[in-house]
Amino acid sequence: QSALTQPRSVSGSPGQSVTISCTGTSNDVGGYTYVSWYQQHPGKAPKLMIYDVTKRPSGVPDRFSGSKSGNTASLTISGLQAEDEADYYCSSYAGRYIAVFGTGTRVNVV
Amino acid sequence: EVQLLESGGGLVQPGGSLRLSCAASGFTFSSYAMSWVRQAPGKGLEWVAGIRGSGGSSDYADSVKGRFTISRDNSNNTLYLQMNSLRAEDTAVYYCVKDLRALLSAIHDYWGQGTLVTVSS
Repeated sequence: QSALTQPRSVSGSPGQSVTISCTGTSNDVGGYTYVSWYQQHPGKAPKLMIYDVTKRPSGVPDRFSGSKSGNTASLTISGLQAEDEADYYCSSYAGRYIAVFGTGTRVNVV
Repeated sequence: EVQLLESGGGLVQPGGSLRLSCAASGFTFSSYAMSWVRQAPGKGLEWVAGIRGSGGSSDYADSVKGRFTISRDNSNNTLYLQMNSLRAEDTAVYYCVKDLRALLSAIHDYWGQGTLVTVSS
């Protein structure tokens, strides 16, 4: 049960695109389509942004998109906005009744 | 509206025990898996334990296996986490989290506001 690997931080200017990677193994990210992404602002509970690799819950802007290739999933934020500045975590199902989170990425809007 | 309200957090000495509760409303509780997720101060998210919608089947992170027990009372729409042999490294905000599906899929679509557990002498 090792944490999924994410970059510590990524930065972008308003209007630009940023991509966050999430690397696991064939026992989690690579083995299932149950990959999700969460946004967390300081002092707040996380919010589901992407699920089942590519799906967006109702109310999440279409600027957020997800993908997966092999053992690595990615979250792309297009048309970056100031309110997108937050911590982002990936998560994957890892078999039985086990879940694993990524190490987290701080998105800076500069 | 889905609501998850945690309670039971507080200050406890190393080696002590604590039981967290999560009162759920706004959805058919028994139809969804549930998990506990924690976040140590200034750190990332860590999945702690999960249980299927009907109860019975559950699993744990290696860091808490043998010390924590997740359970649920579907007649009262309540999720529990019994925490024994607590250590300083268990200090964290503990979130009650609803899964998207009956069998755990690790898709956490609703989160409570969290309850703080502090393990210190």
